[in-house]
Amino acid sequence: RKEVEQDPGPFNVPEGATVAFNCTYSNSASQSFFWYRQDCRKEPKLLMSVYSSGNEDGRFTAQLNRASQYISLLIRDSKLSDSATYLCVASNQAGTALIFGKGTTLSVSS
Amino acid sequence: DAGVIQSPRHEVTEMGQEVTLRCKPISGHNSLFWYRQTMMRGLELLIYFNNNVPIDDSGMPEDRFSAKMPNASFSTLKIQPSEPRDSAVYFCASSYSADDEQFFGPGTRLTVL
Repeated sequence: RKEVEQDPGPFNVPEGATVAFNCTYSNSASQSFFWYRQDCRKEPKLLMSVYSSGNEDGRFTAQLNRASQYISLLIRDSKLSDSATYLCVASNQAGTALIFGKGTTLSVSS
Repeated sequence: DAGVIQSPRHEVTEMGQEVTLRCKPISGHNSLFWYRQTMMRGLELLIYFNNNVPIDDSGMPEDRFSAKMPNASFSTLKIQPSEPRDSAVYFCASSYSADDEQFFGPGTRLTVL
């Protein structure tokens, strides 16, 4: 089983739509969780950290379910500029590195 | 502030040649990571350093790959000899601690003919 698994998509949505991504992680001892965004031919950049209580940043909401070992990202009112690949990230069991999922591709169209 | 710096940005070489990729992490960061990204395999961790010491190199594909970090501001990833299947984007990233937010460099796009 891969350590961090995501639906690769692509998710094709119209502007204004709400879209949700889920990912699962295999290491029950993972302590740090993030969502990264990667634009085409660019490096990954931090979108937001994910906290146990859930957190929101504008149109983006991240949630963590430790019991089920999954992380979610909700994007409301999608914009064309949200088109990118979203990478789910969890720390490894030893807490010494981050494990990246393969990413979910989002395409927002007008 | 300068982010993570990588060079070269693009490298085209022939099979069998030696390739050296370079990285300068963000000043003050204690952890440095080398990744390889391909469409098929996604982002793979090759090796990471903590305070200039290699901690885990289990992701290094084979003995043709080696990495060094002689000081806190410089690291290299070397492939010798290179093969076409090494073609990928190689990212360097740094962070304050190993499980903290990582900042990525722009990557080196390697093509081995």
